Amino acid sequence: RKEVEQDPGPFNVPEGATVAFNCTYSNSASQSFFWYRQDCRKEPKLLMSVYSSGNEDGRFTAQLNRASQYISLLIRDSKLSDSATYLCVVNEDSGGGADGLTFGKGTHLIIQP
Amino acid sequence: DAGVTQSPTHLIKTRGQQVTLRCSPKSGHDTVSWYQQALGQGPQFIFQYYEEEERQRGNFPDRFSGHQFPNYSSELNVNALLLGDSALYLCASSDGPNSNQPQHFGDGTRLSIL
Repeated sequence: RKEVEQDPGPFNVPEGATVAFNCTYSNSASQSFFWYRQDCRKEPKLLMSVYSSGNEDGRFTAQLNRASQYISLLIRDSKLSDSATYLCVVNEDSGGGADGLTFGKGTHLIIQP
Repeated sequence: DAGVTQSPTHLIKTRGQQVTLRCSPKSGHDTVSWYQQALGQGPQFIFQYYEEEERQRGNFPDRFSGHQFPNYSSELNVNALLLGDSALYLCASSDGPNSNQPQHFGDGTRLSIL
């Protein structure tokens, strides 16, 4: 069974602080990894892909540890607008094409002024 | 550059009825995936269409079916609706079915079953 596990939170963090989320996945055949952001009653939006070497996009840094099967997201200098649910997403390819994205339930982040 | 568009935005049905939801992919995308998101949960994969064929399917019953048209747009059909089918239905498109292609989501259709 494919599973992606996240701490649901909520994480209450003061503005300007650094916050980190982790996510674990069960299927070692997973091929691609993403972080999506979802605002309340809105659609998920791609935040960033996660590469094996780790990658950074402005204040956001993503890391992948294939051996331990976990993914992390670090947000530096957090802004009020970062308040959202962050979805860890894994994509598998069983050889016939992508098997569809497997989403975690999301981690709810609240940035406080 | 139009993003993913879905219609309708909201829909109310009763148990036993049938519903059809529609999706137009982002310009340049040829692959469409459908997801169901219940309240407080992450989206759950229903199925994916590419080259007008269902390529992959998640753990959903045969009451859920779909179609892709030559212009890459897609429909999701649900028959014999149950109360548990109430959810946000999301369509996502990508450039090809490969796993390394990120998917872009539409605003979703919020379906309520009475």
